[in-house]
Amino acid sequence: EVQLVESGGDLVRPGGSLRLSCAASGFTFKDAWMSWVRLVPGKGLEWIGRIKREVDGATVDYAVPVKGRFTISRDDSKNTLYLQINSLRTEDTGVYYCTTDIGVHWGRGTLVTVSS
Amino acid sequence: DIVMTQTPLSSPVTLGQPASISCRSSQTLVDSDGNTYLSWLQQRPGQPPRLLIYKISNRFSGVPDRFSGSGAGTDFTLEISRVEAEDVGIYYCMQATHFPPSFGQGTTLDIK
Repeated sequence: EVQLVESGGDLVRPGGSLRLSCAASGFTFKDAWMSWVRLVPGKGLEWIGRIKREVDGATVDYAVPVKGRFTISRDDSKNTLYLQINSLRTEDTGVYYCTTDIGVHWGRGTLVTVSS
Repeated sequence: DIVMTQTPLSSPVTLGQPASISCRSSQTLVDSDGNTYLSWLQQRPGQPPRLLIYKISNRFSGVPDRFSGSGAGTDFTLEISRVEAEDVGIYYCMQATHFPPSFGQGTTLDIK
């Protein structure tokens, strides 16, 4: 059974940073393209970005609104996906999900709240 | 970016009756490989999203056959043949043909 478990969400002040993690199991993680998607209150689901598998160059693509502030990475030896978020803004508040490919399997999400 | 527009935004339904949600994209979702990467997701209260339908009409593993998807090009429909209590939630269409992937604004399905 595919399992994705996100962690690292927290209450942070504007301008702060967070690193989210997604621990994967139940499938061959190194062979999977992985994405981050967030659910923003009042706005719905937003795709953040995707990282390809190592054999495809581990290329990362980002949505324009987060480019330059968000960094997606992976550690295939730990079956873990990461999302580094810098210069947090109030509009980054939401639940952050990792998914296999683009929206096939989903984790339960981790809540990020940005507030002063 | 591709804009995905769902109608209605809210759908009160009677248990046992059918329900239908429409999704329209701002451009055709037919990919150069001939596939149409249009999916439907369900998000029950307190739960993460769950894939129901992929490539317009293919039910994902474990999805009941009362859910069906149809459409082509820019117009797509999710139908529930007989609504059950567990179907309450928010439904999203999603396109992955064009970069970046994008979602509809969501349709809330609740029971009358």
